[in-house]
Amino acid sequence: GENVEQHPSTLSVQEGDSAVIKCTYSDSASNYFPWYKQELGKRPQLIIDIRSNVGEKKDQRIAVTLNKTAKHFSLHITETQPEDSAVYFCAASPYNQGGKLIFGQGTELSVKP
Amino acid sequence: GAVVSQHPSRVICKSGTSVKIECRSLDFQATTMFWYRQFPKQSLMLMATSNEGSKATYEQGVEKDKFLINHASLTLSTLTVTSAHPEDSSFYICSADNREGLGYTFGSGTRLTVV
Repeated sequence: GENVEQHPSTLSVQEGDSAVIKCTYSDSASNYFPWYKQELGKRPQLIIDIRSNVGEKKDQRIAVTLNKTAKHFSLHITETQPEDSAVYFCAASPYNQGGKLIFGQGTELSVKP
Repeated sequence: GAVVSQHPSRVICKSGTSVKIECRSLDFQATTMFWYRQFPKQSLMLMATSNEGSKATYEQGVEKDKFLINHASLTLSTLTVTSAHPEDSSFYICSADNREGLGYTFGSGTRLTVV
């Protein structure tokens, strides 16, 4: 089945710097890759997603890139702010498996003012 | 739009008792819902896929007789943790495909503590 690996597990940056989180997946048939932000004790919130027919997507300070050949996708956050501090999860949705999501291990991002 | 309500948000139960968690899609119909479990500082692990009107599909290693799932309507799925033990203490969270091209919407989660 699908397996998603996420790195790094923790990331500390200075306010205003960029942050990059990387994920790899194993199932080449996966076709949907969302990123979630989860604050302590809260539900995951979708921040951006990308489908397999697109290589890059951007939404203000957040961008996601997808390399299907290498089976990896990355989250890029520019001009980081303290409120970006949270745990970020990537996920992959295997094709034809009912839409379930397989999550990466998570990255705890800390943005220092 | 695309709101998923989950209840209760917190529950404490005695070892050996059962606990029911409800997941409702408030403004859309969800033929499929998903149940995840999240231990502290860990990722979300898919437990099962809940299908309206049919049996749930459980992930490998998840005991279907312990985690009973019922999806009786297009807006409600329930997860019952039977004969709960302290090791079942976790954050349980559901999600549904909101079909608005916005991915999957998560419920607010249920913090289960078994004492």
